[in-house]
Amino acid sequence: DIQMTQSPSSLPASVGDRVTITCRASQSISNYLNWYQQKSGEAPNLLIYAASSLQGGVPSRFSGSGSGTDFTLTISTLQPEDFATYYCQQSNSLPFTFGQGTRLEIK
Amino acid sequence: QVQLQQSGPGLVKPSQTLSLTCAISGDSVSSNSVAWNWIRQSPSRGLEWLGRTYYRSNWYYDYAASVNSRMTISPDTSKNQFSLQLNSVTPEDTAVYYCVRYHHSSRWFDPWGQGTLVTVSS
Repeated sequence: DIQMTQSPSSLPASVGDRVTITCRASQSISNYLNWYQQKSGEAPNLLIYAASSLQGGVPSRFSGSGSGTDFTLTISTLQPEDFATYYCQQSNSLPFTFGQGTRLEIK
Repeated sequence: QVQLQQSGPGLVKPSQTLSLTCAISGDSVSSNSVAWNWIRQSPSRGLEWLGRTYYRSNWYYDYAASVNSRMTISPDTSKNQFSLQLNSVTPEDTAVYYCVRYHHSSRWFDPWGQGTLVTVSS
């Protein structure tokens, strides 16, 4: 199975900050990497697919990059509604696997 | 707009069978461009993909090794839904279970059902 490792596990930040979350795959997954946002009590919601493509309706302050084994999710200017948990997920091969999550919290 | 509506009990006794159903609106369980998945989430295991079914002239099934011998996904074309059965459950199967659509071309999961917290306890 492909292991997905996110860092950091938690990230204190303030409104207006620029933040970056990293995700590393245990082997190359090309660009088959998705990012999801999950708010408390809700299902995950797709933000970015194919490493860098923004899902429709997602604000442009979210961006993704990377290929192979190393990926990043960047939020350019944090808004209050962005405090949530973020997960990366690989779709290169079965079983599909997720990172352990990065909790973005108010500093 | 595609929506997935989950139903099923929230409490299952150890050694019994967990059964959940996911009703699909806005798409077809027989669509040849997507797959229908079950994913669960628990504090100890995080988000864990369990399995999927999809139709490509025939029905196909894939299961995670961790549940392969205990899990069955069943599509129901007459009701446009699919279901999950997980046998011989233990407290370690306690989790929030989600049904989710997977797009084969784009390789993403969207949308997700609302989630069902299933507790395994006597």
